[in-house]
Amino acid sequence: DTEVTQTPKHLVMGMTNKKSLKCEQHMGHRAMYWYKQKAKKPPELMFVYSYEKLSINESVPSRFSPECPNSSLLNLHLHALQPEDSALYLCASSQSLTGSYEQYFGPGTRLTVT
Amino acid sequence: ELKVEQNPLFLSMQEGKNYTIYCNYSTTSDRLYWYRQDPGKSLESLFVLLSNGAVKQEGRLMASLDTKARLSTLHITAAVHDLSATYFCAVDERSGGSNYKLTFGKGTLLTVNP
Repeated sequence: DTEVTQTPKHLVMGMTNKKSLKCEQHMGHRAMYWYKQKAKKPPELMFVYSYEKLSINESVPSRFSPECPNSSLLNLHLHALQPEDSALYLCASSQSLTGSYEQYFGPGTRLTVT
Repeated sequence: ELKVEQNPLFLSMQEGKNYTIYCNYSTTSDRLYWYRQDPGKSLESLFVLLSNGAVKQEGRLMASLDTKARLSTLHITAAVHDLSATYFCAVDERSGGSNYKLTFGKGTLLTVNP
């Protein structure tokens, strides 16, 4: 099974709402990633967890709060977002962060902030 | 800092024609990836290139890697409309100790016209 799943597929939220994006993998991967992708742009790395610990934070605003409850799950908690945060949010996983390993991407969550 | 440059960024082709997309990167790397992305969808892994001289083919697409020149090519043979998509190359970059992260090119928007 080389599948990364993400829920929800689509999310519309107001600027005062609190919502969460979820990501799950069952490949035994120990590194999990969040990317943000705006239209017609490449994905931008936001966070990386390695062995359930936050290893990389690419200076992401605090209105985005990642969480890794266990080795299979990755959440992204959203609060007080801005319209410019509307984007496709991609989750990925890889065998490890240390060493060069292929990342497997989920289908993404299309987020619209109104 | 690793830089990944793709060209062209926009490519309009006629069906049946051949063309090549180029991906240059600025520092040594262990792996190079080619992804396809359809509008509103996630990244689909096309090729993983590991070593100098690596060549991989799938259908009408062929990818190659020259690590000495820091260049990868994605060659399209006898294009068909179904190949219309955005194509990204991405390179593994060592980021702090033995951690790795992907750096993406800007993407090539390919349109195949009848």
